[in-house]
Amino acid sequence: DAKTTQPNSMESNEEEPVHLPCNHSTISGTDYIHWYRQLPSQGPEYVIHGLTSNVNNRMASLAIAEDRKSSTLILHRATLRDAAVYYCILRDPLYVDNAGNMLTFGGGTRLMVKP
Amino acid sequence: DVKVTQSSRYLVKRTGEKVFLECVQDMDHENMFWYRQDPGLGLRLIYFSYDVKMKEKGDIPEGYSVSREKKERFSLILESASTNQTSMYLCASTLRGTGGWEQYFGPGTRLTVT
Repeated sequence: DAKTTQPNSMESNEEEPVHLPCNHSTISGTDYIHWYRQLPSQGPEYVIHGLTSNVNNRMASLAIAEDRKSSTLILHRATLRDAAVYYCILRDPLYVDNAGNMLTFGGGTRLMVKP
Repeated sequence: DVKVTQSSRYLVKRTGEKVFLECVQDMDHENMFWYRQDPGLGLRLIYFSYDVKMKEKGDIPEGYSVSREKKERFSLILESASTNQTSMYLCASTLRGTGGWEQYFGPGTRLTVT
């Protein structure tokens, strides 16, 4: 599996935008970029995914570099409830079989939001 | 609202006990997974199942077994609990194949083995 690199932690002020970076220099042409987050004392939850174009949903936006070697998860207005560990994961649907649906989580970025 | 539920949020067991962790999903998903999460190690896959009565080993299956008798239910069994199995256990489910973009997780069971 291609590896991702994220900062261990980041801090943000409430109601300000947050940009969470992820480096994936060994990404293959068919890898999708997924983001999950894990709030304290909860299981991970899906945030967003994309391939090449930038993506928006109700939770966040995903900006993907033109060379796809990095991406950024954007929270437009951080709230205290966004304090969580954010995971960037690569997944290749061409290899999605029964086993391919598993996810490999690294250390993630712990986001702290200050009031 | 889609749901993955786990039988307990917190569990304390003694060394050598047989431990059952249950997971139920209401989304008619084919695939179900058991992970454990430890500080500094991320999530590690223990076992997964892609159909009733089917199971595959993940990265760390030693000391664990699983059972999937019904599509909605996936059980993790610690045959003889040991202190190094103290961890957070997370169950997840997803659709099979490329439809399974989102993996849905339960709230987790924090197991302490004394």
